[in-house]
Amino acid sequence: DQQVKQNSPSLSVQEGRISILNCDYTNSMFDYFLWYKKYPAEGPTFLISISSIKDKNEDGRFTVFLNKSAKHLSLHIVPSQPGDSAVYFCAAKRNGGSQGNLIFGKGTKLSVKP
Amino acid sequence: DGGITQSPKYLFRKEGQNVTLSCEQNLNHDAMYWYRQDPGQGLRLIYYSQIVNDFQKGDIAEGYSVSREKKESFPLTVTSAQKNPTAFYLCASSTSEYSNQPQHFGDGTRLSIL
Repeated sequence: DQQVKQNSPSLSVQEGRISILNCDYTNSMFDYFLWYKKYPAEGPTFLISISSIKDKNEDGRFTVFLNKSAKHLSLHIVPSQPGDSAVYFCAAKRNGGSQGNLIFGKGTKLSVKP
Repeated sequence: DGGITQSPKYLFRKEGQNVTLSCEQNLNHDAMYWYRQDPGQGLRLIYYSQIVNDFQKGDIAEGYSVSREKKESFPLTVTSAQKNPTAFYLCASSTSEYSNQPQHFGDGTRLSIL
């Protein structure tokens, strides 16, 4: 049973536009969420995180929104750039819980067209 | 530069053979992790270690073994008991198991069966 779901395997966006990547979770105990970015043949790199005490966290062009009642989070990239083309993974765990219980989604492949 | 080094980048295994994937970190992190990624799948946890000489099974530990004799090193052995070993293997580390600090990843080892 997937506890973290990224229902869109892929997303294509024009350069300069907004990219919105979505993530849903089923475990109500999750209260800490992270987004990772992964290029082919490389390891994931941390992008941004949010805990459930907030509903928004922003870092430059990247903003994560959390809707606890809907068990949904989204990553917004504005403006999108060709270098943002990568696979984006959403991950979730309990705040302060074991990282051995960090659950990853299957990823969304973002393609940003020049 | 601090980071995680995985070697080799590509590895080929014959049927019935054990192979060992190397993971070294110089980030002075206490906790280390091994993940497996299959095409179109998220990262699944194989083993993790909170401290030297201690490790815990993850979701898919069968057919794998690990050791943690030094803080910096967390090698993974893929044994002949692992019937479907072809995958991309990622090693990660974090300051501690219960920290919310994000995991740092190596660039992975791609294992294939000859």
